[in-house]
Amino acid sequence: KNEVEQSPQNLTAQEGEFITINCSYSVGISALHWLQQHPGGGIVSLFMLSSGKKKHGRLIATINIQEKHSSLHITASHPRDSAVYICAGGGGADGLTFGKGTHLIIQP
Amino acid sequence: DGGITQSPKYLFRKEGQNVTLSCEQNLNHDAMYWYRQDPGQGLRLIYYSQIVNDFQKGDIAEGYSVSREKKESFPLTVTSAQKNPTAFYLCASSILSTRYGYTFGSGTRLTVV
Repeated sequence: KNEVEQSPQNLTAQEGEFITINCSYSVGISALHWLQQHPGGGIVSLFMLSSGKKKHGRLIATINIQEKHSSLHITASHPRDSAVYICAGGGGADGLTFGKGTHLIIQP
Repeated sequence: DGGITQSPKYLFRKEGQNVTLSCEQNLNHDAMYWYRQDPGQGLRLIYYSQIVNDFQKGDIAEGYSVSREKKESFPLTVTSAQKNPTAFYLCASSILSTRYGYTFGSGTRLTVV
């Protein structure tokens, strides 16, 4: 069974700082997902990676398949980036395995 | 716009009552999923369905039931047998053919008093 570990669990930073959230998984996966959950609870899919690197605006996601590790970076962080960021592995028809999430607070 | 609709957003029920959470998608996705989220824990899979009239138990199916009579609908019933039903419930769907695309609903927060 796949295990997904995220670090850190909680992160508080000042506006403008460069943010890194890490994710490790225990078995091979077909895809690694980064998700964002806001206080209301709804989840938005940010990235889906099977190799390399993806960028969307100030968000960058990378994955190293050999090391079973992925990172989510936020450049020029802003208070509106405050949310829970979740990584999830899998992609098969039986669903995803989720990390516990990283609670990010960006202070003005 | 295509997406997943979960309703209601907040739900309160008395202990011992069954309650049904709605999940509808208009994305023509084959697979649908129900997850449960508790504070400090990752989302855990309750049930999933890959095709109409078929569904599989996930990791924490006890005390829950589902149906998949239509491709676009996958309601979840929280029965009185569920020992600790208060939680946030999230529905998702995916395209089986690519295995990669997932869309999530906005969730239902169930409180049992």
